Amino acid sequence: QKEVEQNSGPLSVPEGAIASLNCTYSDRGSQSFFWYRQYSGKSPELIMFIYSNGDKEDGRFTAQLNKASQYVSLLIRDSQPSDSATYLCAVNAGNNRKLIWGLGTSLAVNP
Amino acid sequence: DAEITQSPRHKITETGRQVTLACHQTWNHNNMFWYRQDLGHGLRLIHYSYGVQDTNKGEVSDGYSVSRSNTEDLPLTLESAASSQTSVYFCASSEVRGGIDEQFFGPGTRLTVL
Repeated sequence: QKEVEQNSGPLSVPEGAIASLNCTYSDRGSQSFFWYRQYSGKSPELIMFIYSNGDKEDGRFTAQLNKASQYVSLLIRDSQPSDSATYLCAVNAGNNRKLIWGLGTSLAVNP
Repeated sequence: DAEITQSPRHKITETGRQVTLACHQTWNHNNMFWYRQDLGHGLRLIHYSYGVQDTNKGEVSDGYSVSRSNTEDLPLTLESAASSQTSVYFCASSEVRGGIDEQFFGPGTRLTVL
């Protein structure tokens, strides 16, 4: 059974701080990794993907991938109250176009 | 602008009734997916399609069916609605770009089965 694990939270950080969200996966053949943000009552929206070991930066967001440790993370710098949402980690195991989803981490950014 | 729409956005039905949820995308994506999302279970794949006339079962397909007669639409049918099918249903579509298969989601349908 392929699994993706995330801490459910809630993760609470003050405004302006760095929020660190973590995700581990079980399938060593996994090739691409996605972070989605989901506001309450809304649909998931893609914020970042990564497929190479190392860091990938996009504005205030940085995705980090370590395939040896089967670990992917999302850092949010200068956190804003508008970042308060559930963050979903999803993993694609290669030729299979399906995604395996984590349960999500709830983030609360306090003004 | 290309988009993915779902209808209805909210539906209340009774146990035993047949219900069809619509999903329409104008991205011209080959891949389409239906998920349900429940507290404590996250997103679970119901059915998916990689193109016209292609349909496949996901992890929670019992009691659901889909058909793909064109690129744009993948309707989800609940053959005989059960209370356990009360959930939020999301449709998604994707296409491989630069080796990455990004899924884009519709706004969701909240279904209540009484």
